[in-house]
Amino acid sequence: EVQLLESGGGLVQPGGSLRLSCAASGFTFSSHAMNWVRQAPGKGLEWVSGISGSGGSTRYADSVQGRLTISRDNFKNTVYLQMNRLRVEDTAIYYCAKGTGGAFDMWGQGTMVTVSS
Amino acid sequence: DIQMTQSPSFLSASVGDRVTITCRASQGINNYLAWYQQKPGKVPKLLMYAASTLQSGVPSRFSGSGSGTDFTLTISSLQPEDVATYYCQKYDSAPYTFGQGTKLEIK
Repeated sequence: EVQLLESGGGLVQPGGSLRLSCAASGFTFSSHAMNWVRQAPGKGLEWVSGISGSGGSTRYADSVQGRLTISRDNFKNTVYLQMNRLRVEDTAIYYCAKGTGGAFDMWGQGTMVTVSS
Repeated sequence: DIQMTQSPSFLSASVGDRVTITCRASQGINNYLAWYQQKPGKVPKLLMYAASTLQSGVPSRFSGSGSGTDFTLTISSLQPEDVATYYCQKYDSAPYTFGQGTKLEIK
């Protein structure tokens, strides 16, 4: 069974840092791009970042470029999102999502990040 | 960047109705278009990819069409369990932008 399990969310002050993790199982992890998508309370979906299967290619939304860094460990079947210089507007549920042919065919349950003083 | 615009933002229909949601890209994206369903309090779920290919396990009352800039998601006969917010997404190249969502309720 394909599973994605996010962790690492929590409450952080503006300007602070957090690292999210997404542990994958049930599929050949290194063969799939992985993505992070966020959803602010009561709002729609926003793609944040993506990384290729090998980890050699990364992409970011303009809203997070330079502050968030995606990475992966194909031995641990885990994708990460390092979040620095966090802002109040980064408050959201963060989902990791598995890419297949470009579309996101599996999503984790999400982890909540709250940026507040 | 390419913008994705859905219409309507809100839709109320009766059980058994045929429902259509539209998604428009500001530039052509060939058929690199996916549709997702997010039920209240739940995780988004992939319904359709490549504009018109049904994801495994999705009921056949869902269908998609379009290419280039204009796309539609159709539910042929609305069921109570279809209450959800529906999102389109482009995935031709980053950023993989979502539409703003269409909230569907039962009248």
